[in-house]
Amino acid sequence: AQSVTQLDSHVSVSEGTPVLLRCNYSSSYSPSLFWYVQHPNKGLQLLLKYTSAATLVKGINGFEAEFKKSETSFHLTKPSAHMSDAAEYFCVVNLNRDDKIIFGKGTRLHILP
Amino acid sequence: DTEVTQTPKHLVMGMTNKKSLKCEQHMGHRAMYWYKQKAKKPPELMFVYSYEKLSINESVPSRFSPECPNSSLLNLHLHALQPEDSALYLCASSQVGLAEAFFGQGTRLTVV
Repeated sequence: AQSVTQLDSHVSVSEGTPVLLRCNYSSSYSPSLFWYVQHPNKGLQLLLKYTSAATLVKGINGFEAEFKKSETSFHLTKPSAHMSDAAEYFCVVNLNRDDKIIFGKGTRLHILP
Repeated sequence: DTEVTQTPKHLVMGMTNKKSLKCEQHMGHRAMYWYKQKAKKPPELMFVYSYEKLSINESVPSRFSPECPNSSLLNLHLHALQPEDSALYLCASSQVGLAEAFFGQGTRLTVV
């Protein structure tokens, strides 16, 4: 099956420390990969995208992700967490063959003061 | 204009009612999507339209009926829903092929 797997349902970090949210994908084709963020009772906002150009992708709010084909991973990182980063994060894949955009199960990021 | 607009924002309907959710975008996107999101869960894909033709139906019950009247509009017609259909319904659009999706704010549906 072609999909994305987010390895952690919850991640807690202290404010000012690094963030790592893990995502692995499975695809027979060359997919596009994205990270979206959803704050409580808010819509989905695109953080960053990988579409077969540079493997290290920079996004908004200091987030970045690296596409590693050998590891089939697309982990999201941020050097220093801020309280406003507390939200649900989704790793998302676009399977080109039929424009099917599929969400991972999500990772809830908690920021400790 | 990078907005996907959904109306209404909130909807309460009885199990015998017929209602419609509406979605509009003016970004020239030719792929449009309906997702259902239950509380504390990821969005689940329901339907995909590509060039105004239904390309994906993820085994959605027939009480949900999508319609794409033109390249800017997407509707979801609702009839005889069940309380378990209560959820946030999200519309999205994208360019065809490997592109990111732009999401509307959603319609929060309650079936009573």
